[in-house]
Amino acid sequence: DIQLTQSPSFLSASIGDRVTITCRASQGISSYLAWYQHKPGKAPKLLISAASTLQSGVPSRFSGSGSGTEFTLTISSLQPEDFATYYCQQLNSSPPTFGQGTGLEIK
Amino acid sequence: QLQLQESGPGLVKPSETLSLTCTVSGDSISGSSYHWGWIRQPPGKRLEWIGSIYYSGNTYYNPSLKSRVTISVDTSKNQFSLKVTSVTAADTAVYYCAVTYSRSDWYFDLWGRGTLVTVSS
Repeated sequence: DIQLTQSPSFLSASIGDRVTITCRASQGISSYLAWYQHKPGKAPKLLISAASTLQSGVPSRFSGSGSGTEFTLTISSLQPEDFATYYCQQLNSSPPTFGQGTGLEIK
Repeated sequence: QLQLQESGPGLVKPSETLSLTCTVSGDSISGSSYHWGWIRQPPGKRLEWIGSIYYSGNTYYNPSLKSRVTISVDTSKNQFSLKVTSVTAADTAVYYCAVTYSRSDWYFDLWGRGTLVTVSS
């Protein structure tokens, strides 16, 4: 199975900050990567597909980039509703696998 | 607006079978060419895809769980279900149902809120 490693595992930031989360794959996965946002007690939400395609309704402050083995999720200006856990997921090969998550908390 | 809701026992005894149901509202399982799937997250661990079923009945399972897992669809109730046999404490997790709109790309476009299942005597 393809292993995904996110860094950092936890991130403390302030409103208005620009933050970047990295996801590294154990082997090349082209652009077959998704990012999800998960808030406690709520359903996880698909933010980005194909490494950089923003889903409908997702604010433009979210962006994704990368291909091969290294990917990033960037939030350009943190808003209060962005504090959550973020996961990457690869779909290049079965089984689809997830990163361990990055918890984003208010500083 | 498509919505998913998991339901089932919150406590299962070791060696027994875990059974969960996902009720779909806002669309018809039989009328949509989607994959319907299950994902779980044990406490302190990462998300793990369990398996998915195509609306036609084709199933796809994670090899790590394949021998113990069955996913099925009940179109009359607009539900799909998960069964995991011979459970142990390692099967304790929050279980999510999810839908994949693509026929070939395993994105999980919409999820339920999840249900906690504890395996304990």
